[in-house]
Amino acid sequence: GESVGLHLPTLSVQEGDSAVIKCTYSDSASNYFPWYKQELGKRPQLIIDIRSNMDKRQGQRVTVLLNKTVKHLSLQIAATQPGDSAVYFCAEIATDSWGKLQFGAGTQVVVTP
Amino acid sequence: GAVVSQHPSRVICKSGTSVKIECRSLDFQATTMFWYRQFPKQSLMLMATSNEGSKATYEQGVEKDKFLINHASLTLSTLTVTSAHPEDSSFYICSARRSLAGALTDQETQYFGPGTRLLVL
Repeated sequence: GESVGLHLPTLSVQEGDSAVIKCTYSDSASNYFPWYKQELGKRPQLIIDIRSNMDKRQGQRVTVLLNKTVKHLSLQIAATQPGDSAVYFCAEIATDSWGKLQFGAGTQVVVTP
Repeated sequence: GAVVSQHPSRVICKSGTSVKIECRSLDFQATTMFWYRQFPKQSLMLMATSNEGSKATYEQGVEKDKFLINHASLTLSTLTVTSAHPEDSSFYICSARRSLAGALTDQETQYFGPGTRLLVL
């Protein structure tokens, strides 16, 4: 899974299958966890977020799970499409951090037709 | 929506020169803006937090005398890379924080600029 690391792992999935990206966070004071999608050379786009008082949140084709006990997050993208190919980042904001986002290392998702 | 722009989108400069990058929130006021740097195939690394009317707060390891930040208004923050060197070549992205107080929860969302590609020769 993602963490603050040195390289970009790649997840290859066939079009139509689900992609699951895992992430760990270290700060137990974090209370907000957004997920971003970034296409090459472009700005990050918020795709879904979750607060620490929730353990699951669903959007359109995306679901995020939060396990605070082990500080794990996961993002599931259902019915993947070629347009889902991008780098996905988990991030966290800690309470009393002035809203500073700390990004995970990122996962490159490649959807093959 | 909330739109954040950056200017320039890309810049090439000679080693030793300074480069200024502007970040603007176009349709909302942002008391706080953030500056990130992203190297190829890497994550976004927070460089500094820019607060309107006060000094920026820099992350550990970021030289404040090299990366000058000014947040003179509620819609504009600037990052100046002074005496740029080839190792400063990177993708610089700003974000502006917008606070929306809801009935039950506070929502904090950061809106990102499109980024500035800096190449130092």
